[in-house]
Amino acid sequence: GAVVSQHPSRVICKSGTSVKIECRSLDFQATTMFWYRQFPKQSLMLMATSNEGSKATYEQGVEKDKFLINHASLTLSTLTVTSAHPEDSSFYICSARGEEQKLFFGSGTQLSVL
Amino acid sequence: GESVGLHLPTLSVQEGDNSIINCAYSNSASDYFIWYKQESGKGPQFIIDIRSNMDKRQGQRVTVLLNKTVKHLSLQIAATQPGDSAVYFCAETEGAQKLVFGQGTRLTINP
Repeated sequence: GAVVSQHPSRVICKSGTSVKIECRSLDFQATTMFWYRQFPKQSLMLMATSNEGSKATYEQGVEKDKFLINHASLTLSTLTVTSAHPEDSSFYICSARGEEQKLFFGSGTQLSVL
Repeated sequence: GESVGLHLPTLSVQEGDNSIINCAYSNSASDYFIWYKQESGKGPQFIIDIRSNMDKRQGQRVTVLLNKTVKHLSLQIAATQPGDSAVYFCAETEGAQKLVFGQGTRLTINP
């Protein structure tokens, strides 16, 4: 089946630094990728839709200048958390749309901001 | 806004029994539904999906039932095994647009 690779799986950073998370579709091309955020014991909340070659579409309440998304190729989307603060600590998950419109998810990135 | 919710946040079953996880959705225009399994510290794993023109779909040990009249979705797991322990999410989408996730049900298996 389709594989989505997400890296890193875990990152710890100091407050004020920026963190980049990569999401790659390994065996298929994805014109559309999605970024989700998940707090402990809660559901996945969509942050933004990443479209190859164009600007991302952000959900209401998500700061586009804080969560920078780049989808420069059909197999790679990146999410950069800029000037991270402790409240940004969360589990970030990407997904890519493959055949038959099915979504395939990465393994997630646990971000801890000290 | 539109939401997808679950009746039970936790479910405990005996190993070998059947499990039924329920989900209510509110968007009557949703046409595609998916069940995901999420283990601790991992991303969601696709289990089974169903389109709105169907009311039942079966996979390996799993069955999804869709009742559009009452906007209800369920996941049945036959002969539950310890490896089935996880949080299960239902999700819905309209016109292959963004996926909206329900709150999740934690399934625990008693030996």
